[in-house]
Amino acid sequence: EAGVVQSPRYKIIEKKQPVAFWCNPISGHNTLYWYLQNLGQGPELLIRYENEEAVDDSQLPKDRFSAERLKGVDSTLKIQPAELGDSAVYLCASSFMGLATDTQYFGPGTRLTVL
Amino acid sequence: GENVEQHPSTLSVQEGDSAVIKCTYSDSASNYFPWYKQELGKRPQLIIDIRSNVGEKKDQRIAVTLNKTAKHFSLHITETQPEDSAVYFCAARSRGSTLGRLYFGRGTQLTVWP
Repeated sequence: EAGVVQSPRYKIIEKKQPVAFWCNPISGHNTLYWYLQNLGQGPELLIRYENEEAVDDSQLPKDRFSAERLKGVDSTLKIQPAELGDSAVYLCASSFMGLATDTQYFGPGTRLTVL
Repeated sequence: GENVEQHPSTLSVQEGDSAVIKCTYSDSASNYFPWYKQELGKRPQLIIDIRSNVGEKKDQRIAVTLNKTAKHFSLHITETQPEDSAVYFCAARSRGSTLGRLYFGRGTQLTVWP
């Protein structure tokens, strides 16, 4: 079974530039998560989708961050414009929200460096 | 929301010794507690999890215990090996309005010396 796929793996941009990250979840997983992981810290949720609906986006800085999950499969997270403080690893995870199982599986992440 | 505290932040042990990492949580309604292992530059991987209706769970050299009354849970690794070296994260999931959201601890850097 293929795991969660993310691209690109690394991205270096200058501040004020836009950037986008892509995530392909595990086949059949109805729930998709975007996390932010700063160096030396645990992941923090940015947004959670159940199918196409964003059901938990309270931690997403909506002035510069946006996300979409078209057709309830792949997802894109965008930052525009990027700031120096956005440098971090952006992790995507997916799960199947059922009664007996809801384990979240993580992708390899995209390491963003904003110069 | 939930608040998860994890200790210690770093842990060094000799190969073959045991390692214990402890976490506390604040929301008594939390009902699911996974542990993830993250090697340098790689994705977090689930190693074991426990639900609030169970007090202990074991998988080979790894075990997790949960004390709901005290709101703390621990990861126990026995007979440690150098390949156990990684950052370990605990997490808790609330049953409240943020159902599904995992709250992570800050991580424990475990180093196993051969």
